Amino acid sequence: ELKVEQNPLFLSMQEGKNYTIYCNYSTTSDRLYWYRQDPGKSLESLFVLLSNGAVKQEGRLMASLDTKARLSTLHITAAVHDLSATYFCAVDTGNQFYFGTGTSLTVIP
Amino acid sequence: EPEVTQTPSHQVTQMGQEVILRCVPISNHLYFYWYRQILGQKVEFLVSFYNNEISEKSEIFDDQFSVERPDGSNFTLKIRSTKLEDSAMYFCASGGWTDNEQFFGPGTRLTVL
Repeated sequence: ELKVEQNPLFLSMQEGKNYTIYCNYSTTSDRLYWYRQDPGKSLESLFVLLSNGAVKQEGRLMASLDTKARLSTLHITAAVHDLSATYFCAVDTGNQFYFGTGTSLTVIP
Repeated sequence: EPEVTQTPSHQVTQMGQEVILRCVPISNHLYFYWYRQILGQKVEFLVSFYNNEISEKSEIFDDQFSVERPDGSNFTLKIRSTKLEDSAMYFCASGGWTDNEQFFGPGTRLTVL
């Protein structure tokens, strides 16, 4: 069974700090997506990564994909409180998305 | 901006009852999906639908589940005889061609008593 693992599962960080969330997966795929979920809400698409070496940035978030290592990272720069949410990566196998375990991020003032 | 919509937002039902969850995907999308998320857990794939038929389904999607696109706009998920463990948030998603990005609806919270 395909596994998609994120770490850390829980992250508490101070405003202004940098941190990286990791997403490891166990199958061959060159399509990976990052989503944000606020409590009780739906999933908001953040990044679409479609090839090895893809890097995308939006505001304080930057995502990258290394298909050879089966690893994606979501880097947070100078965190602000508004980034507090749960972040999911999802691997596309062509037929379905497999979601990671999620990383619950809390940014402390 | 076009978005996926779902109704109802919350459904409470008795165990053994049938429920139908409704979704209106983004109008020019061709791929449709259902996912569920048990409270506090990760999102789990249920089924994908393309060209009026199921293209992929997970082990969760057993004979109790069915999907239908009854007209040109709606996409439904039916659970024939609900169980307590079906209580979850159910998300519909739709996607277009190029990058297979999926856009999620707001979800329906199903509570089975």
